Amino acid sequence: QKEVEQNSGPLSVPEGAIASLNCTYSDRGSQSFFWYRQYSGKSPELIMFIYSNGDKEDGRFTAQLNKASQYVSLLIRDSQPSDSATYLCAVDGEPTDKLIFGTGTRLQVFP
Amino acid sequence: DGGITQSPKYLFRKEGQNVTLSCEQNLNHDAMYWYRQDPGQGLRLIYYSQIVNDFQKGDIAEGYSVSREKKESFPLTVTSAQKNPTAFYLCASSIRGEGVNPPQHFGDGTRLSIL
Repeated sequence: QKEVEQNSGPLSVPEGAIASLNCTYSDRGSQSFFWYRQYSGKSPELIMFIYSNGDKEDGRFTAQLNKASQYVSLLIRDSQPSDSATYLCAVDGEPTDKLIFGTGTRLQVFP
Repeated sequence: DGGITQSPKYLFRKEGQNVTLSCEQNLNHDAMYWYRQDPGQGLRLIYYSQIVNDFQKGDIAEGYSVSREKKESFPLTVTSAQKNPTAFYLCASSIRGEGVNPPQHFGDGTRLSIL
């Protein structure tokens, strides 16, 4: 059974700081990695996806993938109170045409 | 405006009753998915479909049924066999992947509660 692990948090950072969210996965063969943001009571919203080792940047967000160590990270630069939400990591499941979601990390950005 | 529409937003089920949750998309996506989310939990896959008239069980299919008669629609029925149906139900869709999984996009969800 493939697994995706996230620290539940909360991760508290001051406004303007960098928030670093981490996710580890169990299957070395996983190919697809996703980060979703979920506000309380709302549905998940896609933030980033990454398929290759290294960094992928989009605005204030950077996804970092290290397949050798089996982790994927999300960095949020210049964190804002509006970034306060739960961030879900998702990875290829078994069979590979479905995703396995972690339980999410709650991020709190305080002014 | 392209998107995924789930209805109703809130639904209440009586004991012994089957209820159907609607999911419609106009994104021309081939693949559609149903997830269940319980408080403080991640998403768990109920059923998914990569093509019309075909669907597969996910990790928690017992007590649920689906159909995929049209590309745009993937309704989920919560049957009376599902003894703990109270949850947030999310429908998602994506293009079909070739080698890697494409991103899935979600509807606004349906909250189901037992009366």
